[in-house]
Amino acid sequence: EAGVAQSPRYKIIEKRQSVAFWCNPISGHATLYWYQQILGQGPKLLIQFQNNGVVDDSQLPKDRFSAERLKGVDSTLKIQPAKLEDSAVYLCASRKGQGALSYGYTFGSGTRLTVV
Amino acid sequence: AQKVTQAQTEISVVEKEDVTLDCVYETRDTTYYLFWYKQPPSGELVFLIRRNSFDEQNEISGRYSWNFQKSTSSFNFTITASQVVDSAVYFCALSDLGSGNTGKLIFGQGTTLQVKP
Repeated sequence: EAGVAQSPRYKIIEKRQSVAFWCNPISGHATLYWYQQILGQGPKLLIQFQNNGVVDDSQLPKDRFSAERLKGVDSTLKIQPAKLEDSAVYLCASRKGQGALSYGYTFGSGTRLTVV
Repeated sequence: AQKVTQAQTEISVVEKEDVTLDCVYETRDTTYYLFWYKQPPSGELVFLIRRNSFDEQNEISGRYSWNFQKSTSSFNFTITASQVVDSAVYFCALSDLGSGNTGKLIFGQGTTLQVKP
């Protein structure tokens, strides 16, 4: 089974520029998560999708971050404009279902963003 | 509110020593899941174990073992006879079944383990 694919692997941008990250979850996984991991901290949930609907985006800074999941498969996370504090690893994860009994969480390798 | 605390920021041991990573959690839910993940220098999160709140049996998998104590809200992880390849950041995480059963993970700050040859 192929894993969760993310691209790009690394990205360096200047502050106030925009950037987009892409995630392709495991085939058939209905639930998709984006986490932000700042250096030295644990990952923090930004947004969760169930198919193509948003389940939880309470931690997403909506003034600059946006995300979509077209057709309930691939997802894109965008930052516009970027700030220095957005420097982090952005992890995508997918899971087959949403309920407690379907816990097969799989993380991608992440995109490391550096804002200078 | 849910919270996971890993008080040990960094641990350094010599190969073949045993090492225990501590994890303390807070949740108001009676049903929840606890996890341990390993994050090697390459960056991916590697799943190690999942434990639900109704199963307090300790678990052993090779050199790894986990001690779940509901009375102290702890879920500690022990590596026996550590090896250099165990060097990584280890995260403890909590997922509760409240909030609409979203399955989101709440991570601790992580413990960096360095195993020296």
